[in-house]
Amino acid sequence: DQQVKQNSPSLSVQEGRISILNCDYTNSMFDYFLWYKKYPAEGPTFLISISSIKDKNEDGRFTVFLNKSAKHLSLHIVPSQPGDSAVYFCAASGYGGSQGNLIFGKGTKLSVKP
Amino acid sequence: EPEVTQTPSHQVTQMGQEVILRCVPISNHLYFYWYRQILGQKVEFLVSFYNNEISEKSEIFDDQFSVERPDGSNFTLKIRSTKLEDSAMYFCASSYNGRPLQYFGAGTRLSVL
Repeated sequence: DQQVKQNSPSLSVQEGRISILNCDYTNSMFDYFLWYKKYPAEGPTFLISISSIKDKNEDGRFTVFLNKSAKHLSLHIVPSQPGDSAVYFCAASGYGGSQGNLIFGKGTKLSVKP
Repeated sequence: EPEVTQTPSHQVTQMGQEVILRCVPISNHLYFYWYRQILGQKVEFLVSFYNNEISEKSEIFDDQFSVERPDGSNFTLKIRSTKLEDSAMYFCASSYNGRPLQYFGAGTRLSVL
C-alpha cells in the first residue's frame, strides 16, 4: 500500500528556474513531513520538514507547502542549480501514533540542466 | 559535522549465510533505526531501537533479523540465514530524541548470491 506517493519519477528543469516536486499522502494521522535528498552511493540527506500545524516552511532556496485538506505537499526549489540534481524523497511520520519510523515515497529524480 | 557511518559499503554473501551489518550512529543520539531499499523500490522501515530494546518493528523484520548495540558506539543488524530477496541497500539512521528528523548513513549494499 502506498501511503506516501510521489507520482513523478523524474523531473527536468533548466538552471535558474523553479523546481516543484509533489507528494501525496493518504493517512490523515501523519503529523510531520520531511524531504530528503539522495545522491548516488550516499544515504538520504535531510533537506527540510514541516509540521502538520503549519502550511509553509522556508529555508533559503527551499520551501515546503502543505495542503492538509488535499493531503498534498510540495517542495519548491528557487532558483534551481545543477548541484540540486538528485533523487528527492518525501517522507511522513506519526502514522498510527508511532513517531519513530518514516514512511517514504518512491522518490523523484530531479535533473537541473545548465 | 557528525555523521552516521556504516560498514561495509558492500557485502556479498551466499544464500543461507549469516551477515552482520554495522553502524556507528551520531554519538549523542539515543534512537537508532534500520531501513532497507530494494532496487527500484522505496525506502522501507525495518526496526527502531531505544534504551537497549526494540521499540518498533515492521512486518519485514521477522525472526531472521536481529539488532544489537554491543557497546556504546556500534549498532548492528544481523540476518541469520540470508535469502535472495534480502538483497538490498540497508540504511542505518539515528535521531537525538526520537523526533522524526533522522540522520542516515551512506548504506550497505547487500548482495545475496
